Amino acid sequence: DIQMTQSPSSLSASVGDRITITCQASQDIGNFLNWYQQKPGKAPKIVISDTSTLHGGVPSRFSGRGSGTDFTLTISSLQPEDIATYYCQQSHNRPLTFGAGTNVEI
Amino acid sequence: QVQLQESGSSLVTPSRTLSVSCTVSGDSINNGGFYWTWIRQRPGEGLEWLAYIYNSEKAYYNPSLGRRAAMTVDSSKNQFTLNLNSVTAADTAVYFCVRGMGSGRPGSARWFDPWGQGIRVTVSS
Repeated sequence: DIQMTQSPSSLSASVGDRITITCQASQDIGNFLNWYQQKPGKAPKIVISDTSTLHGGVPSRFSGRGSGTDFTLTISSLQPEDIATYYCQQSHNRPLTFGAGTNVEI
Repeated sequence: QVQLQESGSSLVTPSRTLSVSCTVSGDSINNGGFYWTWIRQRPGEGLEWLAYIYNSEKAYYNPSLGRRAAMTVDSSKNQFTLNLNSVTAADTAVYFCVRGMGSGRPGSARWFDPWGQGIRVTVSS
């Protein structure tokens, strides 16, 4: 199985801060990397697919980069509505696997 | 707009079979190119892909489930179902049904969207 390692596991920042979450795959996954946002008590929602493609309705302050084994999700100016847990997920090989999540707080 | 809604038993006795169903609205489950998927989230934990069925025909399972899982499709109800047998407390989780997008690597959903709201299932006597 491909292991997905996210860091940090949690972070606290202020409104307007730039934050970056990293995700490392245990083997080369090309650009088959997705990011999801999950708010408390809700289902996850896709934010970015294929490393850097922003999904409809997602604000442009979100961006994704990387390739191979190392990936990042950046929020350029943190807003109160961005408070959530973020998960990376590889779609290169089955079993499809997720990172353990990064809890973003203000 | 595609919507997914889970249903099933919220309480299952250990060693019995857990059965959760997902009703799809806004699209036909027979439309090709999608992976109809189950993902679960144990209490306080992360996300675990369990299984999906592609084009309503070919099912793929997470090896971590052993041979306990089986997915079926009922086209007349536009619904797909996961049956998980010999359950233990470790199967207690919120179960999400999700649509997986195709056109990625063969046999792998490219990303997951949209998600159902989830159904909480507890395994306990």
